[in-house]
Amino acid sequence: AQKVTQAQTEISVVEKEDVTLDCVYETRDTTYYLFWYKQPPSGELVFLIRRNSFDEQNEISGRYSWNFQKSTSSFNFTITASQVVDSAVYFCALSERSSYDKVIFGPGTSLSVIP
Amino acid sequence: DGGITQSPKYLFRKEGQNVTLSCEQNLNHDAMYWYRQDPGQGLRLIYYSQIVNDFQKGDIAEGYSVSREKKESFPLTVTSAQKNPTAFYLCASSTDRAYTDTQYFGPGTRLTVL
Repeated sequence: AQKVTQAQTEISVVEKEDVTLDCVYETRDTTYYLFWYKQPPSGELVFLIRRNSFDEQNEISGRYSWNFQKSTSSFNFTITASQVVDSAVYFCALSERSSYDKVIFGPGTSLSVIP
Repeated sequence: DGGITQSPKYLFRKEGQNVTLSCEQNLNHDAMYWYRQDPGQGLRLIYYSQIVNDFQKGDIAEGYSVSREKKESFPLTVTSAQKNPTAFYLCASSTDRAYTDTQYFGPGTRLTVL
């Protein structure tokens, strides 16, 4: 069973629109971490955020915000006022205490921001 | 600047050849990882190493080999036993274990079999 689901394969938005990327995870651990990474066309994964399972406080960083809800096992990522430079593949990932040497990546969501 | 370097950026392999992908980090990280990415898919773990002279198989280790003789270096060899090696390969490192620490990635190597 897929542990990290990103149901949106591809999303296209017009510049300046807001966009939310969904991430649903599955774990039996009570202690775990969630991550978001950005992969621009150059290929390198860029770390965006890490959140532990005990911290459900939403976070905002500039135009980026994250909504962590344990009740629905979701860790959604919103980009406000999208820009062309936001065009990339975004990966949600999970690390669990029970498999402490591995990070499980979702399949990614490809975001295209059209000028 | 601290970071992770991978070379070469592009690599072409003929059938039956072994090739080695380089990964070097100057972040003083203990743990290093190799991932494979196929088009439209997420990352799959090939091998990882928590400490020098020790490494563990990931989810898709068959056809690959690694070494960890130095803390800074974690080369990956794609052997002729890997039947479908064409993919994008990413190296990552973290201070400690993947569970507790953020992984940082190199720029990747794109391998194509001719």
